[in-house]
Amino acid sequence: QPVVTQPPSASGTPGQRVTISCSGSSSNIGSNYVYWYQQLPGTAPKLLIYRSDQRPSGVPDRFSGSKSGTSASLAISGLRSEDEADYYCAAWDDSLSVVLFGGGTKLTVL
Amino acid sequence: QVQLVDSGGGVVQPGRSLRLSCAASGFTFNNYAMHWVRQAPGKGLEWVAVVSYDGSIEYYAHSVKGRFTISRDNSKNTLYLQMNSLRTEDTAVYYCARGNRREIDYWGQGTLVTVSS
Repeated sequence: QPVVTQPPSASGTPGQRVTISCSGSSSNIGSNYVYWYQQLPGTAPKLLIYRSDQRPSGVPDRFSGSKSGTSASLAISGLRSEDEADYYCAAWDDSLSVVLFGGGTKLTVL
Repeated sequence: QVQLVDSGGGVVQPGRSLRLSCAASGFTFNNYAMHWVRQAPGKGLEWVAVVSYDGSIEYYAHSVKGRFTISRDNSKNTLYLQMNSLRTEDTAVYYCARGNRREIDYWGQGTLVTVSS
């Protein structure tokens, strides 16, 4: 059963650069774009990165995405307190014909 | 601006049915595929289903296949999720979302479904 895996938690201090990984397989991340979503407490998710490395308008350039093979990463530079949120990666899976979400990473700004 | 307003949630007993709705505005509804994604209390996001722009193609998560039906009415700019044979594990906030078949960009605010006796 294909899955997409993220670390459950990450942390950093203000100004630091943090990265969140997302690991999948050939049927999902390996052959499709990766999407990243930010979910602030008590709110709906918001698109942060689309098509693996593209930023929607309005998303600060402190956020960047990359993909290599069956893994992807979200990098946040110049960490700010308002970045404290849950972050999810997602990708379409060709073998199951479903969207797979990672389990989410809770980012804490110390 | 894109707006997705979810409604129809509530408390329902196990085995019963419920229909969720999502009213869309601010974009050309029949140009986009539409998704439902849910989030159980304190848990992560779980994709539920997607319907193509014209309603002709549907895909479902294994956990809801055969019990849930996604549909749309392009004349009313509205997305639906018919949920039958509900189980306690279906308790979640349900979000409608816009995109294409493989991606999601905008999300609704969510509607809470509680399955409990």
